[in-house]
Amino acid sequence: DAGVIQSPRHEVTEMGQEVTLRCKPISGHDYLFWYRQTMMRGLELLIYFNNNVPIDDSGMPEDRFSAKMPNASFSTLKIQPSEPRDSAVYFCASTRRTGYYNEQFFGPGTRLTVL
Amino acid sequence: GDSVTQMEGPVTLSEEAFLTINCTYTATGYPSLFWYVQYPGEGLQLLLKATKADDKGSNKGFEATYRKETTSFHLEKGSVQVSDSAVYFCALRPTSGTYKYIFGTGTRLKVLA
Repeated sequence: DAGVIQSPRHEVTEMGQEVTLRCKPISGHDYLFWYRQTMMRGLELLIYFNNNVPIDDSGMPEDRFSAKMPNASFSTLKIQPSEPRDSAVYFCASTRRTGYYNEQFFGPGTRLTVL
Repeated sequence: GDSVTQMEGPVTLSEEAFLTINCTYTATGYPSLFWYVQYPGEGLQLLLKATKADDKGSNKGFEATYRKETTSFHLEKGSVQVSDSAVYFCALRPTSGTYKYIFGTGTRLKVLA
């Protein structure tokens, strides 16, 4: 399996622009997670889905952030409008309920820089 | 609520030194416990795992034992290499049924040749 795939790997944009991050989970996984990692705040869970349905979005910072999962093989995290404080590395991860340990598999991340 | 506490870094060691990174947790029941490693510029990778008391997870020379009595899951390696330089995260999956994993803040390890 190719693992969790994220795109783009790097994104540089200007304040006020819309940013869309993409994720393809591992085939057969029914849970998908979006995390944000910064030096100041560490690794934060933003939202997670089960069978394409959002289960917990309590970590989404504010209304500028939105996430969707239109099908089992694709998810997006959108920031509109973007701000410099959104600069971070965003990770997508997936797991499956039927696994014994339910370990999460992480993608390589998208490094977002908002100027 | 559930939580994970791990020692602050950075930890700097010479090659072939013994490594311990402490991790303690607060949770009800028997959560699954994990150590993840993050190499520079990469995502987190599972290093080892354990699901019940006295389980020992091991991989690549790293070990950690699930200690219910001390609510700990300390990471150890007998002889570190320069290639082990990375950030290490302790994590748990609660027994409540949620998939909202709890991650520690990470411990940066630097191994000098």
